[in-house]
Amino acid sequence: RKEVEQDPGPFNVPEGATVAFNCTYSNSASQSFFWYRQDCRKEPKLLMSVYSSGNEDGRFTAQLNRASQYISLLIRDSKLSDSATYLCVVYSGGGADGLTFGKGTHLIIQP
Amino acid sequence: DGGITQSPKYLFRKEGQNVTLSCEQNLNHDAMYWYRQDPGQGLRLIYYSQIVNDFQKGDIAEGYSVSREKKESFPLTVTSAQKNPTAFYLCASSIVGGGNTGELFFGEGSRLTVL
Repeated sequence: RKEVEQDPGPFNVPEGATVAFNCTYSNSASQSFFWYRQDCRKEPKLLMSVYSSGNEDGRFTAQLNRASQYISLLIRDSKLSDSATYLCVVYSGGGADGLTFGKGTHLIIQP
Repeated sequence: DGGITQSPKYLFRKEGQNVTLSCEQNLNHDAMYWYRQDPGQGLRLIYYSQIVNDFQKGDIAEGYSVSREKKESFPLTVTSAQKNPTAFYLCASSIVGGGNTGELFFGEGSRLTVL
């Protein structure tokens, strides 16, 4: 059974702080990894793809650790607008049904 | 602008009634999906289609039906056989084949409430 596990939170973080959360996956053959952002009662939107070398996009950094089977998301200098649920998504190949979604980590940035 | 359009955004239904949710995309994507999201839960795959006139069951297909008569359209019918239909329904699309890296483009969702 393919599983993707996330700490549901909520993470309550003061504005300006750095926050990080992890996601573990059970399928060692997983090929691609993503972080999606979902605002309350809205659709998920792709935040970042996660590459094996790690990648950065502004205040956001994603890392992949294949040996330990987890990916991480780091948010620096957090803004109030970063408050959302962050979904970890793992693609294990095999076509259109190869995606597995985590339940999400809820982040609240406090003023 | 290219994108995915779902309608209606909000829908109320009486028990025992079928309801059809619309999903249209103009991204020229081959693959389309329907997911269901319940509070505090991850997205669960209902049905998906990789090509016109073909579709496959996902993890929770019971009580649902779909059709894919056109590349742009993938409507979902929630039938009276679905025991707990109140949920947030998300339609998505993606490219298929060598370029499929798992990135999905979502519609804004349809929130169905059964009274």
